[in-house]
Amino acid sequence: SQKIEQNSEALNIQEGKTATLTCNYTNYSPAYLQWYRQDPGRGPVFLLLIRENEKEKRKERLKVTFDTTLKQSLFHITASQPADSATYLCALLSSNTGKLIFGQGTTLQVKP
Amino acid sequence: DAGVIQSPRHEVTEMGQEVTLRCKPISGHDYLFWYRQTMMRGLELLIYFNNNVPIDDSGMPEDRFSAKMPNASFSTLKIQPSEPRDSAVYFCASSAGTGYGYTFGSGTRLTVV
Repeated sequence: SQKIEQNSEALNIQEGKTATLTCNYTNYSPAYLQWYRQDPGRGPVFLLLIRENEKEKRKERLKVTFDTTLKQSLFHITASQPADSATYLCALLSSNTGKLIFGQGTTLQVKP
Repeated sequence: DAGVIQSPRHEVTEMGQEVTLRCKPISGHDYLFWYRQTMMRGLELLIYFNNNVPIDDSGMPEDRFSAKMPNASFSTLKIQPSEPRDSAVYFCASSAGTGYGYTFGSGTRLTVV
């Protein structure tokens, strides 16, 4: 069956460190992968999109990698800040169905 | 642009009542999506439209759920009759097309008692 797996345990890191979140998938042929941020009581906010033929994408302090062989994406936040504390969701667009399917998300807590 | 606008923000209704959720997408976005979010199941895609036409409604849980998009600036999701297990946050999102991120509304928190 198709699965998108994100670490369900919260990630706690110290301010200034690099946070790395993982997204693994099985039985998907994603055309691209997206990362979103969600704060409590709010809708997800789009951060980055990376296509299947791209290895890496950067935006300010954010970096996403996409390894279609390992079926994995890594999401990095460098020089993390308490304001980066939120739940981060990865989402795959299935090239078969055209649907964007979300993982369950990983909660990041950055401590000052 | 004010973003994707959803109403109401909160809805509490009794089991068996009809519930209508509303969404105004971003002007110029050709795609509109309805998602439901619960702790147990996360974000689930219910239905999506392209140019006001429903493309895939395979995520709609039952015939009690229906969605319409009469024009490019308005969509509704209706539940009739509502049941307690429909309690969730319902999000509407819009997108400019394949290869673009989605813009989500603030959601409607539905509680069916």
